[in-house]
Formats: sequence, C-alpha cells, structure tokens
Amino acid sequence: RKEVEQDPGPFNVPEGATVAFNCTYSNSASQSFFWYRQDCRKEPKLLMSVYSSGNEDGRFTAQLNRASQYISLLIRDSKLSDSATYLCVVNPITGGGNKLTFGTGTQLKVEL
Amino acid sequence: DAGVIQSPRHEVTEMGQEVTLRCKPISGHDYLFWYRQTMMRGLELLIYFNNNVPIDDSGMPEDRFSAKMPNASFSTLKIQPSEPRDSAVYFCASSLARFSGKTGELFFGEGSRLTVL
Repeated sequence: RKEVEQDPGPFNVPEGATVAFNCTYSNSASQSFFWYRQDCRKEPKLLMSVYSSGNEDGRFTAQLNRASQYISLLIRDSKLSDSATYLCVVNPITGGGNKLTFGTGTQLKVEL
Repeated sequence: DAGVIQSPRHEVTEMGQEVTLRCKPISGHDYLFWYRQTMMRGLELLIYFNNNVPIDDSGMPEDRFSAKMPNASFSTLKIQPSEPRDSAVYFCASSLARFSGKTGELFFGEGSRLTVL
C-alpha cells in the first residue's frame, strides 16, 4: 500500500463549481499534513497546511480525519486559474522531522 | 529574493554518461532536499541534508546515485552511469528549520528535466 494515495483524476469541472479531493495515508502516526499545488511543468508550491480542526483559506477548505486517515481539499467557486495538480503531502515521522511524502497528485481542469 | 536555483534546466544524455545536477538553496535555509518526479511514481524523496550533513539517503535508488553538499550554498546530485530509467524531473528544495504542525513549506527549484537515451 502506498504511503499516500490520491485519485489521479482528471477532474473536469465547469467554472464556478465546487470540487473536492480526498487523500488517504497509511501511517497512523503521521503528524503533519499539507496540500501543495503544481502547475503544468512547474515546481510544487505549498497551498495550505491541514489542521486537525479543519481550516479555510478563501475558497479553499482543508480537513483532516485522523480516525479514517484521510485528508480532503474542497475548492468552492472554481476558477480557470485553479487548473493544476493538487498534491497531498504527509510528514510520516513521529515527533517531527522533515521527510515529507507526496501523493502522486489529483489533476483538476476547470473549464468555461 | 532569489529562490532555489537549479541547473541545468534540461539535459539530454546517452546511457552510460555521467550526469551532474546542481542546486543553490535559499540563503539561510538549513535543510536541502533532492526529489525525483515521474508520471508513474510521483515525487520521491531521494536524500536530504541538514546543515550540509546527509540525514537520510534511503531514497537513493542505487549506488549509481550520489549527492554532496560541500557548503551551505551548493549541492550536487550525480548519476554515474546514467540509464534510460533515470529519465525524470529532479527537483531540489530547501526549507528553514524543522517542520511543525503549522509549517511544512518546502521551496522548490524549477527542476532539472533529465532525458537519458
């Protein structure tokens, strides 16, 4: 089983739609969780951290379910500029450390 | 401020040749990471350094791969000899201090796209 699993997509949605991505992780001791965004042929960039209580940043909402070991990202009112690959990222090392594990990403295409 | 700088951006080489990828991290960052990205396997951590010291190289695929960080502003990833299955985008990233639950930002370079024929 992969450490971090995501549906590769692509998710094709119309502009203005709400779309949600899920991600599961295998190590129950994982401490830190993040969503990164990667545009086509570009480097990944941090989108947002995922907190236990859930957190929101504008149109983006991230949630963590430790019991089920999954993380979600909700994007409301999708924009064309949201088209990208969204990477679920987990720090699997208990107590910290810097060894982030990336999922293979979910591709989002927002269309007119 | 300059971000993470990688070179070369693109490299095409023949099987058996030596490949050297270079990285200059963001000044002041004390962690440096080398990742490899392919369509099939996504982003894989190869090795990371803390204060120029290799901490975890368990992701280095085999002895053909080696990485060095002679000082705080420079790192290399070398493949010798290269093979077609090494074709991928190699990213260098740097970060400041340890991750906590509320940080976790890696700053990536633009990547080095390697094609081994």
